[in-house]
Amino acid sequence: DAGVIQSPRHEVTEMGQEVTLRCKPISGHDYLFWYRQTMMRGLELLIYFNNNVPIDDSGMPEDRFSAKMPNASFSTLKIQPSEPRDSAVYFCASSLRAHEQYFGPGTRLTVT
Amino acid sequence: KQEVTQIPAALSVPEGENLVLNCSFTDSAIYNLQWFRQDPGKGLTSLLLIQSSQREQTSGRLNASLDKSSGRSTLYIAASQPGDSATYLCAVTTSGTYKYIFGTGTRLKVLA
Repeated sequence: DAGVIQSPRHEVTEMGQEVTLRCKPISGHDYLFWYRQTMMRGLELLIYFNNNVPIDDSGMPEDRFSAKMPNASFSTLKIQPSEPRDSAVYFCASSLRAHEQYFGPGTRLTVT
Repeated sequence: KQEVTQIPAALSVPEGENLVLNCSFTDSAIYNLQWFRQDPGKGLTSLLLIQSSQREQTSGRLNASLDKSSGRSTLYIAASQPGDSATYLCAVTTSGTYKYIFGTGTRLKVLA
């Protein structure tokens, strides 16, 4: 398996623009997690899905953030409108029955 | 609220030394604990997963132990090598939820 795939790897955008991050989990995994990593706050869980259904989105910072999982092999995290404080590395991870988590390489987002 | 602490924040050791990294958590009702490694600019790589019913796990030169009653886990690295230089993070899930709470990590440098 190719592991968790994320795209794009780097994204630079201007404040106010819409940003969409994409994730393909490991085939057969039933849990998918979105994290954000910054120097100040470390690694934070934003939202996670089980069998494509959002289970806990309490980590989503505000309404500008939304996440979807239309099928078992694809998820998106959208920020609209983006702000400079959203600059971070965003990771997607997947697991089977909430056991060992496997992380993707991350998307480095810079909002100017 | 679960809090995870890792001490020390940074550590430098000469090659060949055995070393111990510490992870402590405030709520002992955990479901599992996972140790990760993160290289600069990269995603997280899973090292070891310890389920709540287990006391330790081993993989090669790595050994992780878990003491739920005291809220502690240690990662033991034997015969350290320069290639072990990375940031090591521990994460726990609390029973009843599959949310991982991460520590802030220990940045390890092994000197050749």
